Amino acid sequence: SQTIHQWPATLVQPVGSPLSLECTVEGTSNPNLYWYRQAAGRGLQLLFYSVGIGQISSEVPQNLSASRPQDRQFILSSKKLLLSDSGFYLCAWSRTGKEAFFGQGTRLTVV
Amino acid sequence: GQNIDQPTEMTATEGAIVQINCTYQTSGFNGLFWYQQHAGEAPTFLSYNVLDGLEEKGRFSSFLSRSKGYSYLLLKELQMKDSASYLCAVRSGSSNTGKLIFGQGTTLQVKP
Repeated sequence: SQTIHQWPATLVQPVGSPLSLECTVEGTSNPNLYWYRQAAGRGLQLLFYSVGIGQISSEVPQNLSASRPQDRQFILSSKKLLLSDSGFYLCAWSRTGKEAFFGQGTRLTVV
Repeated sequence: GQNIDQPTEMTATEGAIVQINCTYQTSGFNGLFWYQQHAGEAPTFLSYNVLDGLEEKGRFSSFLSRSKGYSYLLLKELQMKDSASYLCAVRSGSSNTGKLIFGQGTTLQVKP
């Protein structure tokens, strides 16, 4: 069976510090991978999605970047965090044309 | 542009039926998905429609009309545990590379 791991679960970081969130998928190959952000009480905003190694589509210009160094690994990064980067970050994977499955999320608070 | 609209909040009574609507305008269409999200948790998949009509899965059913850009999620025999946010999502573009775009979600409160 397929599983998705996302860590850490919670993170408190000072303004201006770097960020690295990692997501890995097991039990499948060549998945589509997604990073979403959810502000409190709001919907999911698509940040990045990837259909293969090194292939990243950015949806919203911002302070974040994503990389896919391996087939089942997706990393969300920032060089310098802003207060507005606080939120609930969710990684997800899907097979071609099928539903997406989410990791447990990382609650990031920038202070 | 791409737009997915849902009501922000709904309230219903335990044991009743509730219908949550979703309208969408996207560039390309390759399926509509409904997710449930409890507070502080990740969304979980409920249903998928790619052809017009009704898909039934236990107490939950989902309907799609592609010509109208419209879907609804129907929850029957409501239980207190159904209190959650319900997210409508559309896969735009092609089926193998299309991205999954979410609406803002509908917060459903089930009352005794």
